[in-house]
Amino acid sequence: GAVVSQHPSWVICKSGTSVKIECRSLDFQATTMFWYRQFPKQSLMLMATSNEGSKATYEQGVEKDKFLINHASLTLSTLTVTSAHPEDSSFYICSAEGPTNPYEQYFGPGTRLTVT
Amino acid sequence: EDKVVQSPLSLVVHEGDTVTLNCSYEVTNFRSLLWYKQEKKAPTFLFMLTSSGIEKKSGRLSSILDKKELFSILNITATQTGDSAVYLCAVSSDYKLSFGAGTTVTVRA
Repeated sequence: GAVVSQHPSWVICKSGTSVKIECRSLDFQATTMFWYRQFPKQSLMLMATSNEGSKATYEQGVEKDKFLINHASLTLSTLTVTSAHPEDSSFYICSAEGPTNPYEQYFGPGTRLTVT
Repeated sequence: EDKVVQSPLSLVVHEGDTVTLNCSYEVTNFRSLLWYKQEKKAPTFLFMLTSSGIEKKSGRLSSILDKKELFSILNITATQTGDSAVYLCAVSSDYKLSFGAGTTVTVRA
C-alpha cells in the first residue's frame, strides 16, 4: 500500500518551454502532497506543500509563478515548470502524506528534468 | 530555521561490517524523525521514530531516538553490497520534512 507514482520519469525540454510533472497516489487519498527538488549529490529541498482544493504553500525562495502547483483531486498533484531554463534542470520528487499517519511521507520515483 | 545534520557524509566498509550513522537536529515543533534509503531514485521509507529510547528494528537495520540530546542513530549490521545507498535523515515538524544532507554508504565485497 501507499504507492506514489510520477510521470514522466524523465523529460528533456528546450529553454523557454513549460513542463508538467504529475504526482499520483495510487492506492490512497492524499489531501497533502509535497514537491521537492534534489541537485546532484545534495539532499532533498522542499519546494512547496500542495493541499487539495486550495493554493499551494511555497517555501522561501521558490518562485510561485515559475513553479505552478495544482492539486485538483485527492490523488493528483501537478507541478508545472514554466519558461524553463537550464538552471531548472534537476531531480523533482513528490511525496504524499501517509494514509494512516500524516507525519509519514511516501515518495514518488522522481522526475529527471533536463533543460537544454 | 530547522536544521538536520548527518555524519559522516560518507563511508566505505566491507561486507559483514557494522555501520552506525548519526543524525542530530534542531527544529521547532518536533513531531517525528524518519530515516530513508535512497538508491538511484526516490527515497524509500525505513523507520519513523517518535519516542525516546525505543529501538526500532527491521532485519539488520535498527534505529533509536534520543529526544533529550536531539539525535538519532541508524545501525546496519552484517552489511551487504545491497546496502550501498545514501541514507537520509528527516525531521517532521508541522507536517513538513527537513532533510539532512545524507550519508553515502559504500559496501565493498
